[in-house]
Amino acid sequence: DAGVIQSPRHEVTEMGQEVTLRCKPISGHNSLFWYRQTMMRGLELLIYFNNNVPIDDSGMPEDRFSAKMPNASFSTLKIQPSEPRDSAVYFCASSAYPEGGLRDEQFFGPGTRLTVL
Amino acid sequence: DAKTTQPPSMDCAEGRAANLPCNHSTISGNEYVYWYRQIHSQGPQYIIHGLKNNETNEMASLIITEDRKSSTLILPHATLRDTAVYYCIVRAFDSWGKLQFGAGTQVVVTP
Repeated sequence: DAGVIQSPRHEVTEMGQEVTLRCKPISGHNSLFWYRQTMMRGLELLIYFNNNVPIDDSGMPEDRFSAKMPNASFSTLKIQPSEPRDSAVYFCASSAYPEGGLRDEQFFGPGTRLTVL
Repeated sequence: DAKTTQPPSMDCAEGRAANLPCNHSTISGNEYVYWYRQIHSQGPQYIIHGLKNNETNEMASLIITEDRKSSTLILPHATLRDTAVYYCIVRAFDSWGKLQFGAGTQVVVTP
């Protein structure tokens, strides 16, 4: 398996522009998580889905952020309009929860490094 | 979820065992202890988890005290590739897999 796939790996944009981050979870996993990591705040959970349904979006910082999971193999995180303080590394993770696997681990993608100028 | 306390950093000599402590004094009966690590510029990686018994896998061993208020992750033979930030996380098994990462411990393995 190729693991969790994220695109793009790097994104540089200007303030006010729309940004869309993409994630393909591991095939067969039924849970998907979006995290954001900054030096100041560390690794924060933004939103997570189970069976394509958003379970908890309380970590989404503002209405400028939105996430969708139209099917089991694809999810997007959109920021509109983007601001410099959104600059961070965004990670997507997936897991086979709750019935899958003894280890119940989350598998993380390589992340998308977003820079908003 | 219960919070955890870890030392901010520690060094370890290559080939020696690395013992990473974690305090979780407010842990509840249905909460597990999870360990993840993050190598620089990569996504976090699962290491091990346990409830109350000691656990061992191909990567590490997890020792949980009898009162479950603290635990130790043991890397038996540290290598340079084990240099990473190690996160100790406590979460309930029915919490939809939600993980709350703290600051972790920066482990540096030196030759």
